[in-house]
Amino acid sequence: DAKTTQPNSMESNEEEPVHLPCNHSTISGTDYIHWYRQLPSQGPEYVIHGLTSNVNNRMASLAIAEDRKSSTLILHRATLRDAAVYYCIPYIQGAQKLVFGQGTRLTINP
Amino acid sequence: KAGVTQTPRYLIKTRGQQVTLSCSPISGHRSVSWYQQTPGQGLQFLFEYFSETQRNKGNFPGRFSGRQFSNSRSEMNVSTLELGDSALYLCASSLGRGPPYEQYFGPGTRLTVT
Repeated sequence: DAKTTQPNSMESNEEEPVHLPCNHSTISGTDYIHWYRQLPSQGPEYVIHGLTSNVNNRMASLAIAEDRKSSTLILHRATLRDAAVYYCIPYIQGAQKLVFGQGTRLTINP
Repeated sequence: KAGVTQTPRYLIKTRGQQVTLSCSPISGHRSVSWYQQTPGQGLQFLFEYFSETQRNKGNFPGRFSGRQFSNSRSEMNVSTLELGDSALYLCASSLGRGPPYEQYFGPGTRLTVT
């Protein structure tokens, strides 16, 4: 399994941008980078994924480093509802399973 | 489109008993995966079913089993329950197998073993 490194916790203020970093230096060329989040008392929720290019959707943006060894999830204007644990997961071709690490616990201050 | 549903949401069982949990995937999704979440071990993969066949299995004892029906609904069974089986059991469905297909999770079944 590809190893990931994420900060244990981060804190930000409401309506400000949040940049959540992830290091995945052992990722291989065909592995996708998936991000999920888990709000309190809920199942994980898909956020975004990418392979090589930066990606945007209605929830967030994903910036992938040129060497693919790291990526950053960007929440453009954080709300209180974005307080959750965020998981960065290299989704390995052929593995057909998500391997969750400890993730980053994001706190949003009003 | 309705999301992934899991029943029951909460369950209390006694050591030695067995339990069956149910998962209904999003309509059209053929892959169903199961995960266990505990405070100590975090989220761990149990198994994956596709077209009624178990395709992938995590590192769990044989007491954990599952099946998938022709309508893609899935059940997981835990026999001879142990205290350590107390956990949140999550089901996830996906349109296809593996990347890049994202997985959609249900709310989970909270199992307490006493």
